[in-house]
Amino acid sequence: ETGVTQTPRHLVMGMTNKKSLKCEQHLGHNAMYWYKQSAKKPLELMFVYSLEERVENNSVPSRFSPECPNSSHLFLHLHTLQPEDSALYLCASSPGTSGRVNEQYFGPGTRLTVT
Amino acid sequence: EDKVVQSPLSLVVHEGDTVTLNCSYEVTNFRSLLWYKQEKKAPTFLFMLTSSGIEKKSGRLSSILDKKELFSILNITATQTGDSAVYLCAVETSGSRLTFGEGTQLTVNP
Repeated sequence: ETGVTQTPRHLVMGMTNKKSLKCEQHLGHNAMYWYKQSAKKPLELMFVYSLEERVENNSVPSRFSPECPNSSHLFLHLHTLQPEDSALYLCASSPGTSGRVNEQYFGPGTRLTVT
Repeated sequence: EDKVVQSPLSLVVHEGDTVTLNCSYEVTNFRSLLWYKQEKKAPTFLFMLTSSGIEKKSGRLSSILDKKELFSILNITATQTGDSAVYLCAVETSGSRLTFGEGTQLTVNP
């Protein structure tokens, strides 16, 4: 499998649930990103990992918890979410090692609905 | 607060037309400007611009950056229905921050 993959593609969860989003990149890249895309709003960068170290955290609420166990995998752990967290969550990767954004390759996204 | 504004927000043209999409920005510590095309889900990378006045080209698409006037344009010539998508502009600033504009929804009718 090539590129950036994300699972699940769709997720419906209650406000008290705990779930995790998974992202895997098969491109040999060093940096990985989580984005949130809500309807009618610009894409928002949430977290950046470079060489498995978090280099950016854009004031994201603590109910979103990222984890990067190695340079190929990135998780987003979710707990006690709010309905306004419903959105498309996109993962991306890029070759850079310095945390620079560079050319990014996006996964297909997880459509999250919080009920 | 960093800001990226795209215009127009939506555009409907006929096949064969040429379109120009605009992106202006107000940011601190500019590093680069990126254009993406988003059709269904995942945005796909088009261009990354770091220097003023150097046009980047890829087939019928081209883009240029003006760091003095703080804007970029994306041109698409001889549009095709497959060009229909949302075109996103994003600006990278220091600290790996990436600020996106709202996007321009382009519809190309046959």
